Amino acid sequence: DAGVIQSPRHEVTEMGQEVTLRCKPISGHNSLFWYRQTMMRGLELLIYFNNNVPIDDSGMPEDRFSAKMPNASFSTLKIQPSEPRDSAVYFCASRSQGARGQPQHFGDGTRLSIL
Amino acid sequence: TQLLEQSPQFLSIQEGENLTVYCNSSSVFSSLQWYRQEPGEGPVLLVTVVTGGEVKKLKRLTFQFGDARKDSSLHITAAQPGDTGLYLCAGAPQTDSWGKFQFGAGTQVVVTP
Repeated sequence: DAGVIQSPRHEVTEMGQEVTLRCKPISGHNSLFWYRQTMMRGLELLIYFNNNVPIDDSGMPEDRFSAKMPNASFSTLKIQPSEPRDSAVYFCASRSQGARGQPQHFGDGTRLSIL
Repeated sequence: TQLLEQSPQFLSIQEGENLTVYCNSSSVFSSLQWYRQEPGEGPVLLVTVVTGGEVKKLKRLTFQFGDARKDSSLHITAAQPGDTGLYLCAGAPQTDSWGKFQFGAGTQVVVTP
């Protein structure tokens, strides 16, 4: 079975540019999470969707960040304009019906470098 | 400030030795998970514990959930180089009805042959 698919795997761009990260969750999973991982702050939850609806976006750093989930099989995380401090590895994870204890399945991440 | 504090931050041991990683909090969790992450990959779930005092074993790995459901430990017996990785604990606060997990900063484990 295909796992969570993220694209691109690597992105290098100049500050000020728009960046769009993409995620395809596991089919049948109805919860989707976007995380950011850095050495300094570890793995931080940015936003959480349930049945395509954003439930908690309190982790989104600022208005430059936005996330959408137009359907059950696709989500995007957009940064506009990007800044060097946004450099990190961004992970998408999905989970089946929001039952407690269900595992989150992570993609392999997008390594983002803003110059 | 991390909701979950992991210790130590880094651990380097030789093959065959034992090690213990700790995950502590002042909050009560309805469940707690341990993940292992290898370079260039996302975290992979090892175990979920839900009952205070629960002990789970996964081959050479032993996981314990504290009686008060505020802390957990991971013990590896006779570590092997394949155990090398970043170990992350993640807890779902009892107050969160959606079962959203918050992650600790992780413990980097290196096992040398």
